[in-house]
Amino acid sequence: AQSVTQPDIHITVSEGASLELRCNYSYGATPYLFWYVQSPGQGLQLLLKYFSGDTLVQGIKGFEAEFKRSQSSFNLRKPSVHWSDAAEYFCAVGVSNFGNEKLTFGTGTRLTIIP
Amino acid sequence: NAGVMQNPRHLVRRRGQEARLRCSPMKGHSHVYWYRQLPEEGLKFMVYLQKENIIDESGMPKERFSAEFPKEGPSILRIQQVVRGDSAAYFCASSPPRSGGQETQYFGPGTRLLVL
Repeated sequence: AQSVTQPDIHITVSEGASLELRCNYSYGATPYLFWYVQSPGQGLQLLLKYFSGDTLVQGIKGFEAEFKRSQSSFNLRKPSVHWSDAAEYFCAVGVSNFGNEKLTFGTGTRLTIIP
Repeated sequence: NAGVMQNPRHLVRRRGQEARLRCSPMKGHSHVYWYRQLPEEGLKFMVYLQKENIIDESGMPKERFSAEFPKEGPSILRIQQVVRGDSAAYFCASSPPRSGGQETQYFGPGTRLLVL
């Protein structure tokens, strides 16, 4: 069965600083990978996804993520964070088996932005 | 194009009562998924439905929980005889028909259930 690990529970960065959120997955074949963001009391918004092809994926709000098969990682990056980026970030993995469509989520990383 | 809609957004029930959560998928989407988020945790898959069919219910508790997605109308997640441990945020997601590979799931705003 697939699994996702987000090793950082909470990260604090200064506004304008760069950001990297870590995500490691476990799955025997090529996974489908997603990053979602959740603001307090809100639903999940898709930031970006990787299905195949170019391993560097661009998303919304200036985020990008890189799929590294050798490291089983899909880390999320942003060169310069804004105060509005404060939220909870979830990495998720999907599988390619028809009929097994569920997403498996990591436990999330809470991002705090300081002035 | 309206997104995934869920109602109610907040629901308060006393122990032993029933909770009914509704989800209307995005237009053109025929696949619905329910996830549960306990406080300070990530989302956990519960059930995956297509119109009139339950495809995967491997994440559903064996008792008191049921889900349906009728031919007409929203998907319903039903929790009978609620207990305090059912307090959580319940999220619905929808996706279009599968055309090869994983389809992106789009999430609704969630229903926050509080059991007193």
